[in-house]
Amino acid sequence: AQSVTQLGSHVSVSEGALVLLRCNYSSSVPPYLFWYVQYPNQGLQLLLKYTTGATLVKGINGFEAEFKKSETSFHLTKPSAHMSDAAEYFCAVSGGTSYGKLTFGQGTILTVHP
Amino acid sequence: DADVTQTPRNRITKTGKRIMLECSQTKGHDRMYWYRQDPGLGLRLIYYSFDVKDINKGEISDGYSVSRQAQAKFSLSLESAIPNQTALYFCATSDLQTPEETQYFGPGTRLLVL
Repeated sequence: AQSVTQLGSHVSVSEGALVLLRCNYSSSVPPYLFWYVQYPNQGLQLLLKYTTGATLVKGINGFEAEFKKSETSFHLTKPSAHMSDAAEYFCAVSGGTSYGKLTFGQGTILTVHP
Repeated sequence: DADVTQTPRNRITKTGKRIMLECSQTKGHDRMYWYRQDPGLGLRLIYYSFDVKDINKGEISDGYSVSRQAQAKFSLSLESAIPNQTALYFCATSDLQTPEETQYFGPGTRLLVL
Protein backbone atom coordinates (compact mmCIF):
# COMPACT_ATOMS: atom_id res chain seq x y z
CA ALA A 1 0.00 0.00 0.00
CA GLN A 2 1.10 3.53 -0.67
CA SER A 3 0.87 6.44 1.72
CA VAL A 4 1.69 10.13 1.86
CA THR A 5 2.53 12.28 4.87
CA GLN A 6 2.54 16.04 4.69
CA LEU A 7 4.41 17.56 7.60
CA GLY A 8 2.54 20.55 8.95
CA SER A 9 -1.16 21.05 8.40
CA HIS A 10 -0.64 24.84 8.44
CA VAL A 11 2.35 26.84 7.20
CA SER A 12 2.57 30.60 7.50
CA VAL A 13 5.11 32.77 5.67
CA SER A 14 5.62 36.43 4.95
CA GLU A 15 5.25 37.78 1.45
CA GLY A 16 8.61 37.43 -0.31
CA ALA A 17 9.82 34.63 1.96
CA LEU A 18 10.71 31.10 0.95
CA VAL A 19 7.86 28.62 0.80
CA LEU A 20 8.67 25.05 1.81
CA LEU A 21 5.91 22.43 2.03
CA ARG A 22 7.05 18.98 3.05
CA CYS A 23 5.87 15.66 1.62
CA ASN A 24 7.11 12.16 2.38
CA TYR A 25 5.75 9.08 0.70
CA SER A 26 5.81 5.35 1.08
CA SER A 27 5.80 3.14 -1.99
CA SER A 28 7.16 -0.30 -2.80
CA VAL A 29 7.52 0.58 -6.47
CA PRO A 30 8.88 3.62 -8.30
CA PRO A 31 6.24 6.25 -7.63
CA TYR A 32 4.57 8.90 -9.65
CA LEU A 33 4.32 12.01 -7.46
CA PHE A 34 2.06 15.03 -7.74
CA TRP A 35 1.40 18.35 -6.08
CA TYR A 36 -2.06 19.87 -6.42
CA VAL A 37 -3.27 23.26 -5.23
CA GLN A 38 -6.78 24.14 -4.11
CA TYR A 39 -7.70 27.80 -3.99
CA PRO A 40 -10.70 28.79 -1.86
CA ASN A 41 -13.97 27.47 -3.27
CA GLN A 42 -12.26 25.86 -6.22
CA GLY A 43 -11.29 22.39 -7.37
CA LEU A 44 -7.79 20.91 -7.41
CA GLN A 45 -5.33 22.20 -9.95
CA LEU A 46 -2.17 20.35 -10.90
CA LEU A 47 0.97 22.26 -9.87
CA LEU A 48 3.60 19.78 -10.98
CA LYS A 49 4.38 16.09 -11.24
CA TYR A 50 7.31 13.71 -11.18
CA THR A 51 7.22 10.71 -13.46
CA THR A 52 10.73 9.67 -14.47
CA GLY A 53 13.99 11.36 -15.39
CA ALA A 54 15.02 14.70 -13.94
CA THR A 55 14.43 14.77 -10.21
CA LEU A 56 13.93 18.54 -10.00
CA VAL A 57 10.52 19.32 -11.40
CA LYS A 58 9.29 22.80 -12.24
CA GLY A 59 5.64 23.66 -12.15
CA ILE A 60 3.30 26.57 -12.59
CA ASN A 61 3.42 29.85 -10.66
CA GLY A 62 7.14 29.52 -9.83
CA PHE A 63 6.85 26.34 -7.78
CA GLU A 64 9.25 23.44 -7.99
CA ALA A 65 9.77 20.13 -6.22
CA GLU A 66 12.65 17.71 -5.93
CA PHE A 67 12.23 13.94 -5.88
CA LYS A 68 14.69 12.39 -3.42
CA LYS A 69 14.43 8.63 -3.51
CA SER A 70 16.84 8.08 -0.63
CA GLU A 71 14.73 10.29 1.61
CA THR A 72 11.36 9.24 0.11
CA SER A 73 10.54 12.92 -0.15
CA PHE A 74 8.99 15.29 -2.67
CA HIS A 75 9.06 18.70 -0.99
CA LEU A 76 7.50 21.71 -2.71
CA THR A 77 9.32 25.04 -2.76
CA LYS A 78 8.96 28.56 -4.08
CA PRO A 79 11.72 31.14 -3.57
CA SER A 80 9.43 34.10 -2.92
CA ALA A 81 5.88 33.83 -1.66
CA HIS A 82 3.12 35.95 -3.11
CA MET A 83 -0.21 36.75 -1.50
CA SER A 84 -1.92 34.84 -4.30
CA ASP A 85 -0.16 31.63 -3.19
CA ALA A 86 -2.45 31.35 -0.18
CA ALA A 87 -4.27 28.05 -0.68
CA GLU A 88 -4.31 24.42 0.40
CA TYR A 89 -1.69 22.16 -1.13
CA PHE A 90 -1.93 18.41 -1.55
CA CYS A 91 0.80 15.90 -2.24
CA ALA A 92 -0.25 12.63 -3.90
CA VAL A 93 1.32 9.37 -5.07
CA SER A 94 0.38 6.64 -7.53
CA GLY A 95 2.06 3.68 -9.17
CA GLY A 96 2.47 -0.08 -8.86
CA THR A 97 -0.69 -1.88 -7.78
CA SER A 98 -2.26 1.54 -7.21
CA TYR A 99 -1.74 2.33 -10.87
CA GLY A 100 -4.26 4.93 -11.95
CA LYS A 101 -5.37 5.68 -8.38
CA LEU A 102 -4.05 8.54 -6.32
CA THR A 103 -3.32 8.43 -2.61
CA PHE A 104 -3.38 11.91 -1.09
CA GLY A 105 -1.71 13.47 1.89
CA GLN A 106 -3.73 15.36 4.48
CA GLY A 107 -3.11 18.74 2.92
CA THR A 108 -1.17 21.83 4.03
CA ILE A 109 -2.85 25.20 4.29
CA LEU A 110 -0.46 27.98 3.28
CA THR A 111 -1.06 31.45 4.69
CA VAL A 112 0.90 34.41 3.32
CA HIS A 113 1.20 37.53 5.46
CA PRO A 114 1.85 41.00 4.02
CA ASP B 1 -16.07 25.75 -20.85
CA ALA B 2 -14.68 23.62 -18.04
CA ASP B 3 -13.42 20.15 -19.01
CA VAL B 4 -14.87 18.47 -15.91
CA THR B 5 -18.17 19.75 -14.57
CA GLN B 6 -20.13 18.79 -11.50
CA THR B 7 -23.76 19.42 -10.61
CA PRO B 8 -25.00 20.66 -8.29
CA ARG B 9 -22.23 22.82 -6.84
CA ASN B 10 -23.94 23.04 -3.48
CA ARG B 11 -26.62 20.85 -1.94
CA ILE B 12 -28.39 20.72 1.37
CA THR B 13 -30.41 17.62 2.18
CA LYS B 14 -31.91 15.84 5.13
CA THR B 15 -30.97 12.59 6.77
CA GLY B 16 -32.49 9.62 4.96
CA LYS B 17 -32.93 11.32 1.62
CA ARG B 18 -31.53 9.86 -1.59
CA ILE B 19 -29.41 12.25 -3.62
CA MET B 20 -27.35 12.09 -6.77
CA LEU B 21 -24.26 14.06 -7.68
CA GLU B 22 -23.41 14.23 -11.35
CA CYS B 23 -20.14 14.57 -13.22
CA SER B 24 -19.56 15.19 -16.90
CA GLN B 25 -16.33 15.53 -18.83
CA THR B 26 -15.33 16.68 -22.28
CA LYS B 27 -11.70 15.53 -22.04
CA GLY B 28 -12.40 12.20 -23.73
CA HIS B 29 -10.83 10.27 -20.86
CA ASP B 30 -11.87 6.71 -20.12
CA ARG B 31 -11.14 6.73 -16.41
CA MET B 32 -13.26 8.58 -13.89
CA TYR B 33 -13.15 8.86 -10.09
CA TRP B 34 -15.18 10.12 -7.14
CA TYR B 35 -13.43 11.46 -4.02
CA ARG B 36 -14.59 13.11 -0.84
CA GLN B 37 -12.60 15.76 0.99
CA ASP B 38 -12.82 16.25 4.73
CA PRO B 39 -10.75 18.80 6.67
CA GLY B 40 -7.46 17.29 7.81
CA LEU B 41 -8.01 14.05 5.92
CA GLY B 42 -7.15 15.05 2.38
CA LEU B 43 -9.07 13.36 -0.42
CA ARG B 44 -10.25 9.78 -0.15
CA LEU B 45 -11.35 7.61 -3.05
CA ILE B 46 -14.98 6.47 -3.04
CA TYR B 47 -15.38 4.73 -6.42
CA TYR B 48 -13.57 4.61 -9.71
CA SER B 49 -14.36 3.45 -13.21
CA PHE B 50 -11.78 2.53 -15.83
CA ASP B 51 -14.36 2.31 -18.62
CA VAL B 52 -18.12 2.20 -19.07
CA LYS B 53 -18.38 -1.48 -18.09
CA ASP B 54 -15.95 -1.27 -15.18
CA ILE B 55 -16.85 -0.05 -11.66
CA ASN B 56 -14.59 -0.47 -8.64
CA LYS B 57 -14.88 0.35 -4.97
CA GLY B 58 -12.41 2.70 -3.41
CA GLU B 59 -11.37 2.92 0.22
CA ILE B 60 -14.63 4.43 1.53
CA SER B 61 -17.48 3.09 -0.65
CA ASP B 62 -19.95 2.16 2.11
CA GLY B 63 -23.15 4.19 1.83
CA TYR B 64 -22.42 5.21 -1.76
CA SER B 65 -23.18 3.84 -5.22
CA VAL B 66 -22.21 4.96 -8.69
CA SER B 67 -23.40 4.74 -12.26
CA ARG B 68 -21.31 5.16 -15.40
CA GLN B 69 -23.92 6.13 -17.94
CA ALA B 70 -21.48 6.87 -20.73
CA GLN B 71 -17.81 7.54 -21.22
CA ALA B 72 -18.42 11.16 -20.33
CA LYS B 73 -20.77 10.74 -17.37
CA PHE B 74 -20.23 9.31 -13.90
CA SER B 75 -22.81 9.79 -11.13
CA LEU B 76 -22.48 9.29 -7.39
CA SER B 77 -25.54 8.43 -5.29
CA LEU B 78 -26.11 8.51 -1.58
CA GLU B 79 -28.94 6.03 -1.08
CA SER B 80 -29.87 7.27 2.40
CA ALA B 81 -27.86 10.32 3.36
CA ILE B 82 -26.46 10.65 6.87
CA PRO B 83 -24.80 13.66 8.56
CA ASN B 84 -21.27 12.21 8.43
CA GLN B 85 -21.53 12.26 4.64
CA THR B 86 -21.35 16.03 4.85
CA ALA B 87 -18.23 16.80 2.82
CA LEU B 88 -16.83 18.28 -0.37
CA TYR B 89 -17.09 15.80 -3.25
CA PHE B 90 -14.82 15.82 -6.28
CA CYS B 91 -15.02 14.05 -9.59
CA ALA B 92 -11.83 13.47 -11.56
CA THR B 93 -10.75 11.98 -14.87
CA SER B 94 -7.44 10.57 -16.05
CA ASP B 95 -5.76 10.00 -19.35
CA LEU B 96 -4.77 6.44 -20.26
CA GLN B 97 -2.34 7.76 -22.85
CA THR B 98 0.21 8.89 -20.26
CA PRO B 99 1.99 6.40 -17.96
CA GLU B 100 1.36 8.46 -14.84
CA GLU B 101 -2.33 9.01 -15.66
CA THR B 102 -2.52 12.56 -14.37
CA GLN B 103 -5.92 13.26 -12.84
CA TYR B 104 -7.98 16.34 -13.62
CA PHE B 105 -10.55 17.51 -11.14
CA GLY B 106 -13.94 19.13 -11.31
CA PRO B 107 -14.87 22.16 -9.19
CA GLY B 108 -16.49 20.07 -6.46
CA THR B 109 -19.92 19.68 -4.89
CA ARG B 110 -20.37 20.88 -1.32
CA LEU B 111 -22.92 18.64 0.42
CA LEU B 112 -24.53 19.31 3.77
CA VAL B 113 -26.65 16.58 5.34
CA LEU B 114 -28.86 17.82 8.17
